[in-house]
Order: sequence, then C-alpha cells, then structure tokens
Amino acid sequence: AQKITQTQPGMFVQEKEAVTLDCTYDTSDPSYGLFWYKQPSSGEMIFLIYQGSYDQQNATEGRYSLNFQKARKSANLVISASQLGDSAMYFCAMRGSGYSTLTFGKGTMLLVSP
Amino acid sequence: SQTIHQWPATLVQPVGSPLSLECTVEGTSNPNLYWYRQAAGRGLQLLFYSVGIGQISSEVPQNLSASRPQDRQFILSSKKLLLSDSGFYLCAWRAGWTGGDEQYFGPGTRLTVT
Repeated sequence: AQKITQTQPGMFVQEKEAVTLDCTYDTSDPSYGLFWYKQPSSGEMIFLIYQGSYDQQNATEGRYSLNFQKARKSANLVISASQLGDSAMYFCAMRGSGYSTLTFGKGTMLLVSP
Repeated sequence: SQTIHQWPATLVQPVGSPLSLECTVEGTSNPNLYWYRQAAGRGLQLLFYSVGIGQISSEVPQNLSASRPQDRQFILSSKKLLLSDSGFYLCAWRAGWTGGDEQYFGPGTRLTVT
C-alpha cells in the first residue's frame, strides 16, 4: 500500500520569497509517480507538477520545482518567488499500481503575506 | 481542450434522502474517471473509479454507488444519505492508457446532509 506524509499543516512565507513544502512517501512499487496539486479556497484541485520515479531530472514547471530524493523517499515542492495568489492548500499525491489511482497526503496550508 | 463539469455546485439534503451527482468530460475519449470525497480540512479519499462504460471499481465500502452510462459521464448516487456523507465531492479524469498519469479535477460539489 502507498502512503503519503505531509508533516507541515501550515506554512507562512513572505511575498517574493521561496518556500519548500515537504512530502515523504512509502511504496513497494518499483515504478511510481508523484504529483503536487494546489487547492485554493474555491475548492478546485489544480495539477501543478509531476515526477516519475525513473526520471533522472527533477521536474520543473515555471515557478514550481519538485526536489525528488529517491533514496530518502521525499518529493518536496519548491515554489520560487511566492505570490499572494499562491495562498492555498497543497497536496502531494502518489500514483498507485493498476489504473493510476492516486493516494493523497493530508495537505499543507500555505499563506503568503505581503 | 478538455473540460470537466460537475453539478450541482452545492447541495443540502436531509438524512435518508437520495443523491445523484453528475460529472461529464468534454474534449477527450475513453477517459479514466474518478470520484473523490474530501471531508472538511482533510485530504482526498478515492471512492470509485472507472476505466470504461459500465466498469466501476469501488475503493471504500459505503452507502454510495457509481455508474458510467456513457463514455464521458460519471454519476455518484445514494439511495439514503447519512450525516457522514457530508463533504466535498470531486470528479476527476485521466487520459486513457496512452495518456499521462496526471488527473484533472472538476469544480466539485459541496454536499451538506442535515
């Protein structure tokens, strides 16, 4: 069974600073995928970034990058140059085996202050 | 481009009443479809997923059921709602076998059972 752990219930960052949101995972599958989603107050889940377990390079998408450390089983999200609009819940998720079901962590609330 | 719709956006229902939530996807064929529930302040729990018409897999035993009468339509139902069914229900789609692993979510339905 897969497990995702997000140990930070809340994080605060000032605008224009970088922030790292932690995610550790546990799986026995040799092949897996890791995802980050953003959930603003509206409730919609927005896909941010994906990292495959065999990808050699860390994934990047604009201001988002995924710090993938396979040996440590961690997949931290780094947001550079935070913006006020980045205030939201952030969820780490892992693809399971079979039909690509996702297991989600409990989330981290990020608040960006001016 | 692909679009996913959910309705209704909000719903207040008494205990013991039936439920029907609908999800439709546009702009893609043969998607994998998913129903998730999010309790207040919690992560997402996968309820059902479907890889094709009439094919439903249940992840959690409960008084809910799902159906996929058409390729791009996914319905979540209950014959008699419980108080514990309150939550935020999210539908998601993923491209079929030839697509990537990421799931894309609809706007959600906020259900309150009174």
